[in-house]
Amino acid sequence: DTAVSQTPKYLVTQMGNDKSIKCEQNLGHDTMYWYKQDSKKFLKIMFSYNNKELIINETVPNRFSPKSPDKAHLNLHINSLELGDSAVYFCASSQVRGPYSYEQYFGPGTRLTVT
Amino acid sequence: GENVEQHPSTLSVQEGDSAVIKCTYSDSASNYFPWYKQELGKRPQLIIDIRSNVGEKKDQRIAVTLNKTAKHFSLHITETQPEDSAVYFCAASMRSNFGNEKLTFGTGTRLTIIP
Repeated sequence: DTAVSQTPKYLVTQMGNDKSIKCEQNLGHDTMYWYKQDSKKFLKIMFSYNNKELIINETVPNRFSPKSPDKAHLNLHINSLELGDSAVYFCASSQVRGPYSYEQYFGPGTRLTVT
Repeated sequence: GENVEQHPSTLSVQEGDSAVIKCTYSDSASNYFPWYKQELGKRPQLIIDIRSNVGEKKDQRIAVTLNKTAKHFSLHITETQPEDSAVYFCAASMRSNFGNEKLTFGTGTRLTIIP
């Protein structure tokens, strides 16, 4: 009964390839996120979706394209992979209601290595 | 945008002693301040959070304080144990125009508990 799951856990690929990471949450949340954690452990938001609509799009190259087929899923497709894309990518979800903020639940992460 | 600074970057304390991690934020509109713990190779997990209408919150050995005027917040861990060893992240959150959360993380503190 994993709350937020991601596949694959590890992804090793060559420069120039296209790859996708999938995320699913079974918490009934309406908001999902993608974060990138670099080698220095710095966590930075990339995208946020609310009810399948893109809400936050930080300064991310347009080689990265998120897609949310429904509220429970948020996938990340990356085109023309570069060495600098190597990182751990975390999916997260939360429930946004009223004026209050609530915990974001993170997935286990996908370690992407570009060679 | 929001900027969160976190200190120290590394911290070693003897088992049983207290540990304090400090963060500052830049945007007075931020109103939610969670702390996440990330063990090696694992996902970030919420350990405690505080909202801007509260000055202090405690949960067993963990406490967080918030000074809105100075834009400072701190994590206090008392009676530290080996399992407290991890990377700790502070974060500040403000709601976007569409109601989404945008968490801005600090750079992390690697806490090592010395037995």
